[in-house]
Amino acid sequence: DQQVKQNSPSLSVQEGRISILNCDYTNSMFDYFLWYKKYPAEGPTFLISISSIKDKNEDGRFTVFLNKSAKHLSLHIVPSQPGDSAVYFCAASAGAAGNKLTFGGGTRVLVKP
Amino acid sequence: KAGVTQTPRYLIKTRGQQVTLSCSPISGHRSVSWYQQTPGQGLQFLFEYFSETQRNKGNFPGRFSGRQFSNSRSEMNVSTLELGDSALYLCASSLLAGSPLHFGNGTRLTVT
Repeated sequence: DQQVKQNSPSLSVQEGRISILNCDYTNSMFDYFLWYKKYPAEGPTFLISISSIKDKNEDGRFTVFLNKSAKHLSLHIVPSQPGDSAVYFCAASAGAAGNKLTFGGGTRVLVKP
Repeated sequence: KAGVTQTPRYLIKTRGQQVTLSCSPISGHRSVSWYQQTPGQGLQFLFEYFSETQRNKGNFPGRFSGRQFSNSRSEMNVSTLELGDSALYLCASSLLAGSPLHFGNGTRLTVT
């Protein structure tokens, strides 16, 4: 049972344009959501997070939106840069579970110059 | 500040053997978590330790175990290795429960 799903395995975008990555979850106990970026042969790098009491969080070029009623979150990257080419994972946790994260399957992003 | 350090980076073992992986968290971080990444199952939570106590455990068989030392360093052990245990094992540390995890670069385990 996949509790966190990223339905797009890959995304190709032109440099300078917006990248939009989507993530859906089923567990209503999840109250903290994170996005990670992963390059080959490296561990995931934390990008941005959002708590369920908010519906938007912004950090530089990265913005995460949370729609609790739809159990959906998205990551917007504006503008996209070639260095953003990587695999992006969304993850979720429930407060009582501490640091136990449930990850989506990842979306591979390719930013074309 | 040094990041999360995992050793070794690569490991090749034979079915039936056991293996121990090591993780040094970011200085000051007391929570250490372990994850397994495989092409088929993605990133899956193994367990979390905080102040030398296991705080959470994922759905893995008892062959997978871990421990945390008083300096927050952690080890995980896999006994009686199976071919399906071939994976990238990632360690992550965090300052507090609910704060973002910071991952190491992983140990790539190959079981032949």
